[in-house]
Amino acid sequence: QQQVKQSPQSLIVQKGGIPIINCAYENTAFDYFPWYQQFPGKGPALLIAIRPDVSEKKEGRFTISFNKSAKQFSLHIMDSQPGDSATYFCAASLWDGDKIIFGKGTRLHILP
Amino acid sequence: EAQVTQNPRYLITVTGKKLTVTCSQNMNHEYMSWYRQDPGLGLRQIYYSMNVEVTDKGDVPEGYKVSRKEKRNFPLILESPSPNQTSLYFCASSSGMSGGPYNEQFFGPGTRLTVL
Repeated sequence: QQQVKQSPQSLIVQKGGIPIINCAYENTAFDYFPWYQQFPGKGPALLIAIRPDVSEKKEGRFTISFNKSAKQFSLHIMDSQPGDSATYFCAASLWDGDKIIFGKGTRLHILP
Repeated sequence: EAQVTQNPRYLITVTGKKLTVTCSQNMNHEYMSWYRQDPGLGLRQIYYSMNVEVTDKGDVPEGYKVSRKEKRNFPLILESPSPNQTSLYFCASSSGMSGGPYNEQFFGPGTRLTVL
């Protein structure tokens, strides 16, 4: 009940395309869903996060879509750029909890 | 500059030789956590701390110890390292009204550990 399943494991997209990364969770108590972005040789950094009271959140070219009934959420990157090439992790936790569960990550490569 | 620092950044050691990886943050954060990152397994939480003298196990605590004697420091101790602890380790911290992972976690640069 604590897993967060992330797919695909890797993704290659042409510049300007819209990569989509999907995550599914099991614990219905989870109410905070962040995405972290990690560049090679660096630690992850928070990219965008959503709570289940909204179905979509946009920050610049990054959008989270959230489907509470399906227990799924996804990250969309509009007008993708080679600089977006990184590993992306979804995660889930309780808003006031003390543990966070990460997905296994998606290695994204944007072709120039 | 607000940051999380880890030392050492790279370490090669042998089985059974005790080691400590230090972690320090200068943001007065209450919550600190250790993760290991392995190919195909993503980030897995080892231990976390909600505040000074308060620590708890994450998902993969076996073979590790931590302590939180000061708010800014959260060292990770491997008392008898084994080859299966070869990994990339990250320390992270976050803050909020009561701490917790729901706030943005700031990650350190990572420590690459090899146990021979």
